[in-house]
Amino acid sequence: KQEVTQIPAALSVPEGENLVLNCSFTDSAIYNLQWFRQDPGKGLTSLLLIQSSQREQTSGRLNASLDKSSGRSTLYIAASQPGDSATYLCAVRGSRNAGNMLTFGGGTRLMVKP
Amino acid sequence: EAGVAQSPRYKIIEKRQSVAFWCNPISGHATLYWYQQILGQGPKLLIQFQNNGVVDDSQLPKDRFSAERLKGVDSTLKIQPAKLEDSAVYLCASSLDRWGHYGYTFGSGTRLTVV
Repeated sequence: KQEVTQIPAALSVPEGENLVLNCSFTDSAIYNLQWFRQDPGKGLTSLLLIQSSQREQTSGRLNASLDKSSGRSTLYIAASQPGDSATYLCAVRGSRNAGNMLTFGGGTRLMVKP
Repeated sequence: EAGVAQSPRYKIIEKRQSVAFWCNPISGHATLYWYQQILGQGPKLLIQFQNNGVVDDSQLPKDRFSAERLKGVDSTLKIQPAKLEDSAVYLCASSLDRWGHYGYTFGSGTRLTVV
């Protein structure tokens, strides 16, 4: 059974800092990995999608990397802003032979202070 | 494109009452998912539909939860009778294909409080 862990569970940083959020998964037989952002009381907004054959994806100040063999992904946020404050979730889609389920981590709650 | 629509946004009910949630996925998305998100946790899959057929409902508490997608478009999730531990956000998501190759799009969710 796939297990996804996100560390740290909560993070508080001053505005302008570069930061890294970590996601680890136990079964490397994945189809893809997706990073989401969730604001309080809201649904999930997709940030980046990395296919299993890819190493990284970039969108603006965000960069996500994937190391399938070690079961790890990182989300790098450059020059953080107060508007980046939210919960960040990673989700792993299992391969067709590995249950094919989308499994979420518990999330990292980020607070960026002005 | 329009996103995944869910209603209602909020619902408060007493335990043992019944409740239903509605979801309309992105047009053309064949696969629809219902997730339960308890406060402070990541979402957990309840059921996955491919068109109007069930692909995975292994984590759906079938004694009290039911879901349908009769015409392969919108879907309803029902809880009857509700328990206190059902208090959570219920998220609907859709994807273009069964394997989520192009990722998933989530709705805003329905926040259920059972008192």
